Amino acid sequence: DAKTTQPTSMDCAEGRAANLPCNHSTISGNEYVYWYRQIHSQGPQYIIHGLKNNETNEMASLIITEDRKSSTLILPHATLRDTAVYYCIVITSGTYKYIFGTGTRLKVLA
Amino acid sequence: DAMVIQNPRYQVTQFGKPVTLSCSQTLNHNVMYWYQQKSSQAPKLLFHYYDKDFNNEADTPDNFQSRRPNTSFCFLDIRSPGLGDAAMYLCATSRDGAENEQFFGPGTRLTVL
Repeated sequence: DAKTTQPTSMDCAEGRAANLPCNHSTISGNEYVYWYRQIHSQGPQYIIHGLKNNETNEMASLIITEDRKSSTLILPHATLRDTAVYYCIVITSGTYKYIFGTGTRLKVLA
Repeated sequence: DAMVIQNPRYQVTQFGKPVTLSCSQTLNHNVMYWYQQKSSQAPKLLFHYYDKDFNNEADTPDNFQSRRPNTSFCFLDIRSPGLGDAAMYLCATSRDGAENEQFFGPGTRLTVL
């Protein structure tokens, strides 16, 4: 079973920040949090990942709570092309197995 | 650009007729994965190769086999496709270590008639 829970769907206005939450209350100290997105009929696309610290790249920011039991993916200025299913995945160091949860279907509205 | 390539993008086969899907990569990654994604569901890992070492998931049906003749190529063989095997099949690659992300190909959509 997936180690993460996410809301089923969210809407966001174009140009606004999209904040996607993920709960991973059973995460262990050596487990990474990864975020991917999947646009309809395409392969999943890597967005960002982190272990303990907050991370930022050209696509998004990842905020991990101090107790690491939850995280938030932030798309700072959502566009229509960000409409996709967003998956939060927890992976254990030393393993290679991604267990995808149901993900959050983000719809960016014009 | 370095990438993960899957061929064909669309494959139609008949019930019970063996089919092979292919994946190639120019990333020189040592780990390769095959996922199955059925309609409106999340991807599900079937198996992965760590170099030449094959790692099967416990719930992957025996009907699914894989070959990795070299670093660049990996094949998914479905020996006797059933209607329930219709899905998108995704190939992914990564470097060793959980700290390295997986790169996914565009997928092959399999239809079973």
